[in-house]
Amino acid sequence: ETGVTQSPTHLIKTRGQQVTLRCSSQSGHNTVSWYQQALGQGPQFIFQYYREEENGRGNFPPRFSGLQFPNYSSELNVNALELDDSALYLCASSPGSGAPHEQYFGPGTRLTVT
Amino acid sequence: GDSVTQMEGPVTLSEEAFLTINCTYTATGYPSLFWYVQYPGEGLQLLLKATKADDKGSNKGFEATYRKETTSFHLEKGSVQVSDSAVYFCALIIQGAQKLVFGQGTRLTINP
Repeated sequence: ETGVTQSPTHLIKTRGQQVTLRCSSQSGHNTVSWYQQALGQGPQFIFQYYREEENGRGNFPPRFSGLQFPNYSSELNVNALELDDSALYLCASSPGSGAPHEQYFGPGTRLTVT
Repeated sequence: GDSVTQMEGPVTLSEEAFLTINCTYTATGYPSLFWYVQYPGEGLQLLLKATKADDKGSNKGFEATYRKETTSFHLEKGSVQVSDSAVYFCALIIQGAQKLVFGQGTRLTINP
């Protein structure tokens, strides 16, 4: 069974640029959630996708957007990057929405904005 | 709103010491509770969970009991090892909600 994978591992961008992060969910999981983890903090929920539809969103501006594909993989897009967007971005998959299933996390993408 | 509060870190112990990391929560609904562990340079790994009051989650020698009366889910281990050095996160998810709510994390260092 393949776990959650994310790409790239590390990324350096300049303020104002756009970035796309990718996530492949664990086999059999149809729900993907994205979290932002600033240095020394706990992860903060960005949004969740269930069967290709956004299914909940945290307190993040619209320049954070996402997609989920028919194979349940997902992308996180961030436009107009700001210095405070520097963080570890974590993707988590789970077997379904609604029930309090545990979420399984990928290794993360570390984004640095200069 | 929903929130999780963990004891302040960092925590430094000697090998074979007893470990407790405190976690309390505030929830608008009926939560499931989790402990996740993050090793250096890695993502989060689920350590244990409990889905209803008085449930005890356990894994790799770690235990935590869901205490509804005190809204707590303290993590314990009887004898820690150097390999337990990591950051530990307490988290909750409300039934029917989409997001995990995390505490700020507790960095644990075990010295040989």
